[in-house]
Amino acid sequence: SQQGEEDPQALSIQEGENATMNCSYKTSINNLQWYRQNSGRGLVHLILIRSNEREKHSGRLRVTLDTSKKSSSLLITASRAADTASYFCATDGKNNDMRFGAGTRLTVKP
Amino acid sequence: NAGVTQTPKFQVLKTGQSMTLQCAQDMNHEYMSWYRQDPGMGLRLIHYSVGAGITDQGEVPNGYNVSRSTTEDFPLRLLSAAPSQTSVYFCASSYSPTGKSIGNTIYFGEGSWLTVV
Repeated sequence: SQQGEEDPQALSIQEGENATMNCSYKTSINNLQWYRQNSGRGLVHLILIRSNEREKHSGRLRVTLDTSKKSSSLLITASRAADTASYFCATDGKNNDMRFGAGTRLTVKP
Repeated sequence: NAGVTQTPKFQVLKTGQSMTLQCAQDMNHEYMSWYRQDPGMGLRLIHYSVGAGITDQGEVPNGYNVSRSTTEDFPLRLLSAAPSQTSVYFCASSYSPTGKSIGNTIYFGEGSWLTVV
């Protein structure tokens, strides 16, 4: 079963706006990662946040983690058309594996 | 900079046929895995390996076999293809098992599109 679940499933915004995606998970984690997937391509790592961290920044990306609520959010500021992609959260499973959610499909209109 | 290389990119199989999806990485990663991606389902783990000679099952292992004879290669075998195995398959690798580490970036191949008719 999936560990992480992203919300919303799809998001459409105008260029320049901020995009916020959420991820909820079920069991305790060591770390949570966000990945991006362009259409027809493999996933690319964006950012990792450890369970003892609450917020992390990388360029236009801001990730928060609330372990008490078992949730994380990914904020993309000042979005660009090139940010159009699917975004996935991933959490470490109990058997040395990484579990992914179903993803949020982000469309940024120019 | 090869990273994770998957072949073939596209494949059409008839029901009952067998085939092997190849995966190779040149980063000396211990951990390798195979996922399948279906619409609305996200990525589901099929099998994984924490090192040469060691493999284990993921969420959806039925109908698939793997082996890890070398650090570099992790082929996925479909024993008798079924239409339900129509999917996009991704091979991935990372330096070490993520659950036991501080967290490692997973590197993905570009995917193999498989259609079973």
